[in-house]
Formats: sequence, C-alpha cells, structure tokens
Amino acid sequence: NAGVTQTPKFQVLKTGQSMTLQCAQDMNHEYMSWYRQDPGMGLRLIHYSVGAGITDQGEVPNGYNVSRSTTEDFPLRLLSAAPSQTSVYFCASSGRGVGETQYFGPGTRLLVL
Amino acid sequence: GENVEQHPSTLSVQEGDSAVIKCTYSDSASNYFPWYKQELGKGPQLIIDIRSNVGEKKDQRIAVTLNKTAKHFSLHITETQPEDSAVYFCAASWDGGFKTIFGAGTRLFVKA
Repeated sequence: NAGVTQTPKFQVLKTGQSMTLQCAQDMNHEYMSWYRQDPGMGLRLIHYSVGAGITDQGEVPNGYNVSRSTTEDFPLRLLSAAPSQTSVYFCASSGRGVGETQYFGPGTRLLVL
Repeated sequence: GENVEQHPSTLSVQEGDSAVIKCTYSDSASNYFPWYKQELGKGPQLIIDIRSNVGEKKDQRIAVTLNKTAKHFSLHITETQPEDSAVYFCAASWDGGFKTIFGAGTRLFVKA
C-alpha cells in the first residue's frame, strides 16, 4: 500500500492563480480531510468528507473547494490564490468511527506570491 | 467551537530524562484524544491515543493520561532519546471521529 499520496510536493503560485492539490489513498478509507499547517498554529481543518459525494466545511474553508467523486481521491481546489494561503497542506484519511487512526500524506508546500 | 490548548510550545530535555506535554480541551463532547509526532518534512504520525472512557494508556516509553472532569490530557515520554526530537501535537475528536481539532504543537529537543 502506498498509503496517502499528495501531489505536487511544492508549488509556487502568483496571486489570483488557481490550482488543484491532489490527494489519493489506497486503504479504502471512508473519511478524508484537508488541513493546513502554519507556524505556531498546529493543523487546522479546511474541509472533510465522510464518503464519496459527501463533503463539509472545517474550521477554515474560505477560498477552498473540494469534491469527492470516488473513495480514493479528494482534491483541494484554490480558486484564486492569495498570499494568506501560503502554507503546508496535509491530506489525511481514516476508517469510519471514533478511534480510527488518521493517516497523513507527506504534505504540499504552497507559496503564493 | 472546540478549542485545544497545548503547553509548552518548546521543551528541551537531557537524554534519559522524562518529557511531559499538556493539553486542555473545551468541548465536553470530545471523546477521542490522539497524539501525533511530526518529524521534519513529513506528515504527522499517530503515536498513541486514548478514549474518553479510559484514564490512562501506556505503550512502552510513552503514556497518555486523561482527566475528563478537568478536560486535561497529557503525554509522558520516559527515558527520552535523541530520536524522540520532533514536534508533537495533541488533538481532540468528536462526532464519530471525523472532526479533529489540533493543539498548536510542542517542539521537543532531546540533547545527547
């Protein structure tokens, strides 16, 4: 199993550009989430999904869109990038229910100029 | 909404000493408390967790305690080693497990 994979590893964008961060998991997990990590602030939940076709907002959803057409994939879209979206983005997946281990991908480092 | 506070933000210990990291949470509905270790350039990795119906859990050199009344939970690492140096995050989870709020993290340095 590859676990949780993320692409790209690093991206530089100009303000106003759009892009999609890719996330895939091969563990047949129902739950998938996107977090951003900023210095001194831990990880903050952007969006999450409890299954294909079902998504919901987390703590900091503004400026981001998600969709979940398959169990395996959970892309994160930045519609119009802003410098405030400079961060490290992590995708995670887990099985259903309390106590299921959440597995994280290696992260995507995004710089918006 | 739920809030998780974590202290200290930085912790430096001598190899072989113990390290303790403390967290508090605000939402009494939280029922699952995982701890993650993040090494440089990598994603967080679960090291230990505890459910709300348990007061303490131990796994070799790592232990976690939970005080539901006070809404406190702590990570204890004994006999620290240089490879324990990393950033540690506590988290609180509820609603069936898919909503997780993280603490701000503790950077642990273990000096050889």
